[in-house]
Amino acid sequence: GAGVSQSPSNKVTEKGKDVELRCDPISGHTALYWYRQRLGQGLEFLIYFQGNSAPDKSGLPSDRFSAERTGESVSTLTIQRTQQEDSAVYLCASSLSPQKNSNQPQHFGDGTRLSIL
Amino acid sequence: GQNIDQPTEMTATEGAIVQINCTYQTSGFNGLFWYQQHAGEAPTFLSYNVLDGLEEKGRFSSFLSRSKGYSYLLLKELQMKDSASYLCAVRDYSGGYQKVTFGIGTKLQVIP
Repeated sequence: GAGVSQSPSNKVTEKGKDVELRCDPISGHTALYWYRQRLGQGLEFLIYFQGNSAPDKSGLPSDRFSAERTGESVSTLTIQRTQQEDSAVYLCASSLSPQKNSNQPQHFGDGTRLSIL
Repeated sequence: GQNIDQPTEMTATEGAIVQINCTYQTSGFNGLFWYQQHAGEAPTFLSYNVLDGLEEKGRFSSFLSRSKGYSYLLLKELQMKDSASYLCAVRDYSGGYQKVTFGIGTKLQVIP
C-alpha cells in the first residue's frame, strides 16, 4: 500500500519497560509528525520532522520520550521507563513539505495502541 | 502559539444540516484543515482553507474568515455514517517552520 504504515498496531508492556514505535511515511513525504491521543481526547502534538531534522520537539512530554528519523524516511518514537500515563494511541502522519506545498494535508497511519500494565 | 476552540459535542438528525464552528488565535496563520475521525480510526482529510470564503466539496463545505479567526464545517444531508469526531487544525508559520495544531475535536452524533 501507499499509505503511512505504523508498527506494531498494538503493544502491551509492563510499567518500567522501554518501547519503540515505528512509522513508515508515504514515499517522498519530507514532513513527519508524531501525535498522542488518549481515549476520548484530542490529538496531542509530540514532535515534527522536516527531513531528518526535528525543528519542533516542544510536545515531547518528558525526557523519557525521544524520536529519530533516518534517510528522510522511517521514524522511531522511543519511550523509556514507561508509565501507566503513557497508555494511549500514538499516531504518525506525513505530508509533502509544507514550505513548498502549503495545501497538502497530513496523511495518518492507523496508530499504535500502547497499553502499560 | 495557537489557541483553537471548537464545541466538544453536537447532535443532529439524519438528513439535516449541521455547522461545526472553530475559532483560533495565531500569529502566523497559514491555512486551516478539517479532518474526520471515526472512533478507533485515524483522522482523514476533509478540506483546506487558506483564503477567505467557502470551499465546497460534495456534501461538505468549509468556510474561513481570517480577520475573525473563524471557520466552520458544514455537513449537508446528514447520514448515519457521518457520526464521528471532526477536528479543526491550524497551520501556523513561526520560528522558521510551519506547525500544525489540532483542536480537541467535535464529536458529532447523527440520530435517526
